[in-house]
Amino acid sequence: DTGVSQNPRHKITKRGQNVTFRCDPISEHNRLYWYRQTLGQGPEFLTYFQNEAQLEKSRLLSDRFSAERPKGSFSTLEIQRTEQGDSAMYLCASSKGTGVYEQYFGPGTRLTVT
Amino acid sequence: AQRVTQPEKLLSVFKGAPVELKCNYSYSGSPELFWYVQYSRQRLQLLLRHISRESIKGFTADLNKGETSFHLKKPFAQEEDSAMYYCALSGRNTGNQFYFGTGTSLTVIP
Repeated sequence: DTGVSQNPRHKITKRGQNVTFRCDPISEHNRLYWYRQTLGQGPEFLTYFQNEAQLEKSRLLSDRFSAERPKGSFSTLEIQRTEQGDSAMYLCASSKGTGVYEQYFGPGTRLTVT
Repeated sequence: AQRVTQPEKLLSVFKGAPVELKCNYSYSGSPELFWYVQYSRQRLQLLLRHISRESIKGFTADLNKGETSFHLKKPFAQEEDSAMYYCALSGRNTGNQFYFGTGTSLTVIP
C-alpha cells in the first residue's frame, strides 16, 4: 500500500459542469476525510466518513457538493454546477480508529473552473 | 468556536539559528494539537502531536493550556526544514474534525 491516492490530480472544467473526484484511502483505515484548500489558506474540513457512514458535514458546504463512500473503501466527491469559487485543491485523508488519530493525506486534486 | 491562529505567514531564519513557529488556538475542553508539514512538491504529513511528546527532526512543541498555545520550536534550523507548517486542532468537542491554521512558510537561509 503506497498511501492515500487521489484521481485525477488535475481537473479543468467549465462553469456549470459537474465534476467527480475519487479518493482511495489506506486499506485498513476506516475513516476518510475531505478537505478543500485555497491559496494562502490551510485545509478546510468538508466532510468525513467512518466506514460507509457520513458522520459530519461542514455547515459551509453547499448543497452542490456530495460525497459517498459506498462500501467503506474508496470515496467520491461530486460538485454539481461548478462555480469559479470552487477552484481549489481538494484533499483527501484517511485515519484508523474511532478517536483522534493521525491523518494521512493524499496528493490532492487541483480543480480549476473556467 | 474552535479556531487555530498562526500569526506569521512567512518566517525566515538563518541556518543554525533557533526557530519558533507560533500557534494559538481556541477550544472548550481538552484539545488535541498537531503540527503538519508540507515540503515542496510533497503531500501534507504529520510532524508531531502533543500527546506523544516526541521530538521529531529536532522539533518540539509544548501544549500551554494557560496561554492556549502550541508553538513549534527547533534550536538549530537546517536548510531541509524549509517548508510550509500547519498547526491543527481536533478533539471530542469538534466531532473529531480537524481545524487547520493558515500555515507558516519557513525559509532557512544558508
